[in-house]
Amino acid sequence: AQKVTQAQTEISVVEKEDVTLDCVYETRDTTYYLFWYKQPPSGELVFLIRRNSFDEQNEISGRYSWNFQKSTSSFNFTITASQVVDSAVYFCALSEARNNDMRFGAGTRLTVKP
Amino acid sequence: DAGITQSPRHKVTETGTPVTLRCHQTENHRYMYWYRQDPGHGLRLIHYSYGVKDTDKGEVSDGYSVSRSKTEDFLLTLESATSSQTSVYFCAIRGAERYNEQFFGPGTRLTVL
Repeated sequence: AQKVTQAQTEISVVEKEDVTLDCVYETRDTTYYLFWYKQPPSGELVFLIRRNSFDEQNEISGRYSWNFQKSTSSFNFTITASQVVDSAVYFCALSEARNNDMRFGAGTRLTVKP
Repeated sequence: DAGITQSPRHKVTETGTPVTLRCHQTENHRYMYWYRQDPGHGLRLIHYSYGVKDTDKGEVSDGYSVSRSKTEDFLLTLESATSSQTSVYFCAIRGAERYNEQFFGPGTRLTVL
């Protein structure tokens, strides 16, 4: 069965600090996809990134970077030089290629203080 | 913008009453999903559809039914609402079909008193 664990329930940092959000997943499938979504205080869910199981390259997009490691079943998300606008709940999710559904972690609430 | 709207956006109802939530999409996506979001649980899949009249159950389908008579509309019905169904409900579409990349509507906050 597929499962996603986000052990950090809440994180609080001061602006300009770097912060890493952890995501650990479980799957028996060899082909799967990992995702991160952002949910700001306004409530909508914003797609941030998708990673395929066969592509372990890390990715950087501006202040955001993602570290995918199959050896530890982790897909961690780092925000560099955090800003107040980064305050949100962040969800990690997993979808197996053979399934049509997506499993979400419980989410990590990030608060960035000025 | 994935062209997804949900209605109503907010609803308060009483235990035992039927409730229908609507999801509407404008881009002809084949797959549509209903999730509920609760504190400590993230999002959990209720039902999904892979075409007109084709639906399947998700992780938390008890107490919910769905219908899809047109590509653009996916309805979620609570036949007899209970307080445990108080939640925020999100509809989603699958964008890139191969990768199950999902994009979400704005959500419906449902309160069952």
